[in-house]
Amino acid sequence: QVQLVESGGGVVQPGRSLRLSCAASGFTFNTYAMHWVRQAPGKGLEWVAVISYDVSNKYYADSVKGRFTISRDNSKNALYLHMNTLRTEDTAVYYCARGRRLLRDFDYWGQGTLVTVSS
Amino acid sequence: EIVLTQSPGTLSLSPGERATLSCRASQNIGSSYLAWYQQKPGQAPRLLIYGASSRATGIPDRFSASGSGTDFTLTISRLEPEDFAVYYCQQYGTSPWYTFGQGTKLEIK
Repeated sequence: QVQLVESGGGVVQPGRSLRLSCAASGFTFNTYAMHWVRQAPGKGLEWVAVISYDVSNKYYADSVKGRFTISRDNSKNALYLHMNTLRTEDTAVYYCARGRRLLRDFDYWGQGTLVTVSS
Repeated sequence: EIVLTQSPGTLSLSPGERATLSCRASQNIGSSYLAWYQQKPGQAPRLLIYGASSRATGIPDRFSASGSGTDFTLTISRLEPEDFAVYYCQQYGTSPWYTFGQGTKLEIK
């Protein structure tokens, strides 16, 4: 079965960096786009970034553009989110999600990893 | 930027009742790229509906959805205790590419 397991969250000071990972299994990873979606405490869902199946395309939400970098290693079935210059407003649960190219939705989600940006 | 507005913010109903949730887009988004998700406390969202009206794998047939253009509806015909959750609509378009509505909380009356 499809499994997505995030890791790497924690408490970090404003201005610092953090890297999140998502381990994928149960499907052919290198045929799917992958996304990061976040949810601030008590708030709704916010799409963060997407990377195409072949790494050729990456897109970001304006709120993270220039600070966050999405990447993947298809040989390891792994997705990453490199977060630089973190701000308090980046505090959220970060989910990785599998994207369906033709339907542009998110059909499987990980359980999430909490990032807290605080001094 | 396309904004999705969900209503009501909170819906209070009893098990067995019918729930109707609305999602309105600020611009015409067709119907191909409108999805609905269910999220329970402490859990990840779960895909319920894709393409505005198609149920995802394993979703009970008491969930149905419709709409196109700017107005979309999610209907739960007879509420079960496990249906009380927060529901989000989501669309795909030009930048910022993917957006979600603010959510409707369906709570037990």
